[in-house]
Amino acid sequence: SQELEQSPQSLIVQEGKNLTINCTSSKTLYGLYWYKQKYGEGLIFLMMLQKGGEEKSHEKITAKLDEKKQQSSLHITASQPSHAGIYLCGADQKGSSNTGKLIFGQGTTLQVKP
Amino acid sequence: DGGITQSPKYLFRKEGQNVTLSCEQNLNHDAMYWYRQDPGQGLRLIYYSQIVNDFQKGDIAEGYSVSREKKESFPLTVTSAQKNPTAFYLCASTSSWGTGPQSPLHFGNGTRLTVT
Repeated sequence: SQELEQSPQSLIVQEGKNLTINCTSSKTLYGLYWYKQKYGEGLIFLMMLQKGGEEKSHEKITAKLDEKKQQSSLHITASQPSHAGIYLCGADQKGSSNTGKLIFGQGTTLQVKP
Repeated sequence: DGGITQSPKYLFRKEGQNVTLSCEQNLNHDAMYWYRQDPGQGLRLIYYSQIVNDFQKGDIAEGYSVSREKKESFPLTVTSAQKNPTAFYLCASTSSWGTGPQSPLHFGNGTRLTVT
């Protein structure tokens, strides 16, 4: 079965610093989702990547899917306290199918110090 | 505004009691899902339903039951057979599944269940 491994597990950065979170899959990714979660709340969709080499940006967050489609990275530029939370990557269990049955990485907890 | 409403936000129960978690969506989505989140373990799929009156077991269905009598509603019952019910439960829905283009899951704000 497919597994998603996120690194690092937790991250503490000073406000204004850049950071990167990685998500590595044991199998080829056909769709990779990035979500953000505040503690005790639901997941907020950030971005979806489908093609090898694809890169998407929203405000100061950029997500990339490598050419081999087995690793994705989430990069935050000039971090702010509002970026703090848990970041999760997810992928469809059925690979190229569209079942909505996602598997998730274990999450990366980000703290941003003012 | 459209969205997914989960209630209650916090739920406390004694061991041995069944408890039902509510999930309602007004997004007109066909597919709905229940996930469980435990610290350091990410999310795991409990049950899902892709159409009214039909649902399927996910990866950790033992000790849980669901119903899908209406498109908008997908309640989850945590039964006394669930050995470790204390967790954060998240309901989600999506507009597209099967042969359609991939679309993200939309999540509710979760219910934190504590069983003592």
